[in-house]
Amino acid sequence: TQLLEQSPQFLSIQEGENLTVYCNSSSVFSSLQWYRQEPGEGPVLLVTVVTGGEVKKLKRLTFQFGDARKDSSLHITAAQPGDTGLYLCAGARQGAQKLVFGQGTRLTINP
Amino acid sequence: DVKVTQSSRYLVKRTGEKVFLECVQDMDHENMFWYRQDPGLGLRLIYFSYDVKMKEKGDIPEGYSVSREKKERFSLILESASTNQTSMYLCASSLIISHSRGELFFGEGSRLTVL
Repeated sequence: TQLLEQSPQFLSIQEGENLTVYCNSSSVFSSLQWYRQEPGEGPVLLVTVVTGGEVKKLKRLTFQFGDARKDSSLHITAAQPGDTGLYLCAGARQGAQKLVFGQGTRLTINP
Repeated sequence: DVKVTQSSRYLVKRTGEKVFLECVQDMDHENMFWYRQDPGLGLRLIYFSYDVKMKEKGDIPEGYSVSREKKERFSLILESASTNQTSMYLCASSLIISHSRGELFFGEGSRLTVL
């Protein structure tokens, strides 16, 4: 059983469309990170959210941490082909010293 | 630019062979990690290290061991490779002691195939 469930696992849309990726759990997390991994590369950190209800923006990407700190979402506005990649959420449960990763969402933006 | 370098991008080994995966970071980070990445399972932690000669088991340590003789180098060892260890292996390092908030810097990965 995956502690962090990401949905959808695969998403293929046209350039210019909007999309949302979800990262859900029944556990409370002290912080949550989002990484993007491009083919042939290691994951790269996009953002860390630490406060319930927190919203962070990175250009066309908007990240939100749920009020109860059990879930997070990533919304992309006007998707570009350069947004193509594997998006991973990773969380740290309170008191734990290890990050737990979701299964990932493989996003393809078609020109 | 920060850098985590994994020695081999692609390896093909036979069942029963001993396999060494090397990782070097140039950021003077205390903490280093080995993950394996499989489709549909995300990243799973194999071992990590908070200091030289120190190691801690992750979630899936069976069949693996590690070595950290120098601060910048963290090696993953498969004593006797098996086909179910065919995977992508990712090394990472971080500065902050608490894994929960530190940014992980990843290498490019080592894709291991065991025949």
